[in-house]
This record gives sequence, C-alpha cells and structure tokens, in this order.
Amino acid sequence: EAQVTQNPRYLITVTGKKLTVTCSQNMNHEYMSWYRQDPGLGLRQIYYSMNVEVTDKGDVPEGYKVSRKEKRNFPLILESPSPNQTSLYFCASSLRVGGSGQFFGPGTRLTVL
Amino acid sequence: DQQVKQNSPSLSVQEGRISILNCDYTNSMFDYFLWYKKYPAEGPTFLISISSIKDKNEDGRFTVFLNKSAKHLSLHIVPSQPGDSAVYFCAASMVYYNQGGKLIFGQGTELSVKP
Repeated sequence: EAQVTQNPRYLITVTGKKLTVTCSQNMNHEYMSWYRQDPGLGLRQIYYSMNVEVTDKGDVPEGYKVSRKEKRNFPLILESPSPNQTSLYFCASSLRVGGSGQFFGPGTRLTVL
Repeated sequence: DQQVKQNSPSLSVQEGRISILNCDYTNSMFDYFLWYKKYPAEGPTFLISISSIKDKNEDGRFTVFLNKSAKHLSLHIVPSQPGDSAVYFCAASMVYYNQGGKLIFGQGTELSVKP
C-alpha cells in the first residue's frame, strides 16, 4: 500500500530536549516536504527536498533542520524545541514538484512544555 | 504577510446544492494552484489543481476556476454531499520560476454539508 508514515504520532516533550520526527515513503517519490498546521494559520511549509541531498527552506524554517540521505526518508529535527513549536506536523511526498498528487502522512501532534 | 488567503473560515451548505470555496492570492508570480481536502485526524488529500494557462479545470463534481486578473480562484462542488464536509485548503506555487517545491497554503475553510 502506497503511504507516508510518520513517527511518533504523538509526542510531549520539554523545552530544549532535542527530538526527531521521522518520515518515510514507499512510493519512490523524489519530492518530500514538511508542514506545520496551526489554528487560523493553515498549513505552513517548513522545509522541502527535491531529491537526495537537496533540501531548501519553506516559509517557516527557523528552529528546524532536515536531512535527505536516502530517497525514502526525510526526518525533521528540532535541536532545541520551544513552546512555539507546539503544533501538528505533516510530512508529504510526491513524484514531481508543484504539489499535484502530494501524499500526506497522518500527522504528528507535538507539545513542547 | 499572507500571500494566499481564504477569507471565509467556515461555510455551511445544504446537501445537493453548490458549495463555492474562495481563495485570493497576492503574488502574481504564482502559476500553479491546488486544492486539498482534510478530514479531522487525517493528513490532507490532494483534490484538484489548475495551471495559470487555464481558467477552468473539472474533475467529476469538483471544478476549479482561476481569475488571474483578480488573483482569485474558487472551488465549486456540485452537488454537495455530506461526505464533502471537511476543511479545504487552497495552495499556490511558482513552478515556472523553478520554485515548484515551495507551496504556500491558505488558512483553510471548513465546509459543512447538511443532510
């Protein structure tokens, strides 16, 4: 089954404790992206990757890091989480850029205390 | 500075009638537009898209209209069904300018279709 998986699905952590949210897709997609969803703000893109070892900033990259060492994986790293990073995070992938046919993961609910 | 705006946070429609969701944008360099649908506790799903060289694209009950001079797009759902109740996001990108990887989303409109 074609899918994008994210782990963990729920996470409560404390300020400053480094964490990684994993994202994996099994569709051999070149394009992957991370978003956060906040009430009243919709979805905002954090980082995206056009291919292995190629990443670029989205609208709200501050406080986040990503890496794309393999095609299927695109982890999101929060080196020193802060309460304003409490949000619902989505990973997505697609065969081509532009957003068409983008598959989204189920989301990761992160709370930073 | 919100480049893509959905000014109606919510919309309620009777089953069988038309739903019209609106989206405005400010950046004239956007050349590709999309609509996504999102149910609670799920990730968004892609619905329909349109390139700036067109002014209309249809897919079954869903039609997207693009008015470039007004920097406005709309999604029409005809006829509306209770299963269409969800949050709808519009999004825009600049594929021609080699920035197709960057997607800007609106705030979303929650559609409720009443039986």
